[in-house]
Amino acid sequence: QKEVEQNSGPLSVPEGAIASLNCTYSDRGSQSFFWYRQYSGKSPELIMFIYSNGDKEDGRFTAQLNKASQYVSLLIRDSQPSDSATYLCAVKTPRGSTLGRLYFGRGTQLTVWP
Amino acid sequence: DGGITQSPKYLFRKEGQNVTLSCEQNLNHDAMYWYRQDPGQGLRLIYYSQIVNDFQKGDIAEGYSVSREKKESFPLTVTSAQKNPTAFYLCASSMGPSGYNEQFFGPGTRLTVL
Repeated sequence: QKEVEQNSGPLSVPEGAIASLNCTYSDRGSQSFFWYRQYSGKSPELIMFIYSNGDKEDGRFTAQLNKASQYVSLLIRDSQPSDSATYLCAVKTPRGSTLGRLYFGRGTQLTVWP
Repeated sequence: DGGITQSPKYLFRKEGQNVTLSCEQNLNHDAMYWYRQDPGQGLRLIYYSQIVNDFQKGDIAEGYSVSREKKESFPLTVTSAQKNPTAFYLCASSMGPSGYNEQFFGPGTRLTVL
């Protein structure tokens, strides 16, 4: 079982819609969770992180964490064509914490069409 | 301007050659990482280092070598033993395992084998 899994996508939504990106993780003791955005040909950019159960909002982005169900999601409200990118989920697991590393999912490609 | 720099942006290697990719950071981060990304794939960890003069193998270390002689620098050598080195190489850094461990990425080096 992989440490971190993301819905395979690709995901396609119309402009102005809500895009929902999901991520599940295998280690119940995982501590912090990160969402990165990666435009084609560019490096990943950190957009949000969350470590407590519940929602964390930053502008049009909301990260949601449910530790009991072991999933974390990213909602993008009022999606724009400029949001079209691959979104990577990363998790700090207990094993990773000891080793000093994060575990990354394979990413979900999002396309927002006008 | 604080950040992570990688050079060169593009690199071409002939069969049997060793090449070295540069990564420098001025964020005063303790930890540094090297990842490889293939088209349509997630990030795979090659090597990482938590402190100067110490580093650990990641998930795909074979055919690669690193050094960490200075806190700011973490060069990666792709040796001739790496049979399929064509990929996008990303360097990242973080404060270290004691914090949330969010990682920040450099712009990447695209390596092509001729």
